[in-house]
Amino acid sequence: NAGVMQNPRHLVRRRGQEARLRCSPMKGHSHVYWYRQLPEEGLKFMVYLQKENIIDESGMPKERFSAEFPKEGPSILRIQQVVRGDSAAYFCASSPRQGNRDTQYFGPGTRLTVL
Amino acid sequence: GESVGLHLPTLSVQEGDNSIINCAYSNSASDYFIWYKQESGKGPQFIIDIRSNMDKRQGQRVTVLLNKTVKHLSLQIAATQPGDSAVYFCAENPGGTSYGKLTFGQGTILTVHP
Repeated sequence: NAGVMQNPRHLVRRRGQEARLRCSPMKGHSHVYWYRQLPEEGLKFMVYLQKENIIDESGMPKERFSAEFPKEGPSILRIQQVVRGDSAAYFCASSPRQGNRDTQYFGPGTRLTVL
Repeated sequence: GESVGLHLPTLSVQEGDNSIINCAYSNSASDYFIWYKQESGKGPQFIIDIRSNMDKRQGQRVTVLLNKTVKHLSLQIAATQPGDSAVYFCAENPGGTSYGKLTFGQGTILTVHP
């Protein structure tokens, strides 16, 4: 059973470009979570999604960031007009049911570098 | 705001020793706690979890203790090995309307010397 998959593993963008990060949850998991990790810090919650629904986006910046989890295909975290402060590791996690009833399993992350 | 934090940012032990990593949490409503291990360049790896109706849970070489009175969580690793070297994070799920949202501590760097 494959784990959570994320791609690309590394992404380099120039300021003002768009970044698209993809996450495929573990087989049988219908709940997806995105977290951001700055160097030498813990992970910070961004958004929690189920298929076609955003459940909790309380950790998402109000502008430039969006997330979706369509009926078919991976979850996408989209960052428009990237700035240097967006440079971080972005992790996706998945669980079969809602978060406080099941463990969240993490992917390997996408490391975004904004030049 | 409410948060999860760690007492010790670094811990160095000799191979074969037992390791104890501590974590304090401030949200008394949290009902689910998890320890993750993160190696350099990788995503967090689940180690062990515990729910608030328990005070101890054991896994393979690991034990998690939960003291709700003082809001303290610890991870004990028996017979620590070099492969245990990593950053260890505690995380809490506050439940209620915030279910699904894990709050992570800053992390403790564990270094195991051969």
